[in-house]
Amino acid sequence: ELKVEQNPLFLSMQEGKNYTIYCNYSTTSDRLYWYRQDPGKSLESLFVLLSNGAVKQEGRLMASLDTKARLSTLHITAAVHDLSATYFCAVPTYSSASKIIFGSGTRLSIRP
Amino acid sequence: DTAVSQTPKYLVTQMGNDKSIKCEQNLGHDTMYWYKQDSKKFLKIMFSYNNKELIINETVPNRFSPKSPDKAHLNLHINSLELGDSAVYFCASSVSGGIADTQYFGPGTRLTVL
Repeated sequence: ELKVEQNPLFLSMQEGKNYTIYCNYSTTSDRLYWYRQDPGKSLESLFVLLSNGAVKQEGRLMASLDTKARLSTLHITAAVHDLSATYFCAVPTYSSASKIIFGSGTRLSIRP
Repeated sequence: DTAVSQTPKYLVTQMGNDKSIKCEQNLGHDTMYWYKQDSKKFLKIMFSYNNKELIINETVPNRFSPKSPDKAHLNLHINSLELGDSAVYFCASSVSGGIADTQYFGPGTRLTVL
């Protein structure tokens, strides 16, 4: 059964610093999703990574995928308060085309 | 012009009651989903429909019954509500249900069972 693990689960950091969130998954997959959830809000799609070595960037966020290591990273550069949110990675299972398994989320809090 | 909408946004009810949550998407997508997010933010799929047909039915108590009258709507009916049903329920949709498809989420319905 596919398991998706994120770490850290909680991250408090200062504005201006860099940090990385890690997402490991347990079975083969060549694609992965990152979502953002603001408190009390819905999930918003950030990145869809579709192949080994895929790298996508949007503003201060950059996501990458290493399918051999079954690892994705979400790197935050020069964090700003607006990036405070919970970030989820999610991986599709090949047992069902529609089913994706979410990680437990990383709650990111950025202090001024 | 909301893409995926849910009603109600909040639902407070007593144990043992029956309630429904409605979901509509205007994206023209073929596949719709229901997810449950618990108090620890853990998100788990419950059901998925493709063009009105049930394709995913996770291990969910049969008190939960989804209904899809057409491909733009997926409703969730819950019988005999229990305290443990308290959670945020999200509806989502995707183009065709393929694994490359991004899922678009509704705003969520916060269900509180007293």
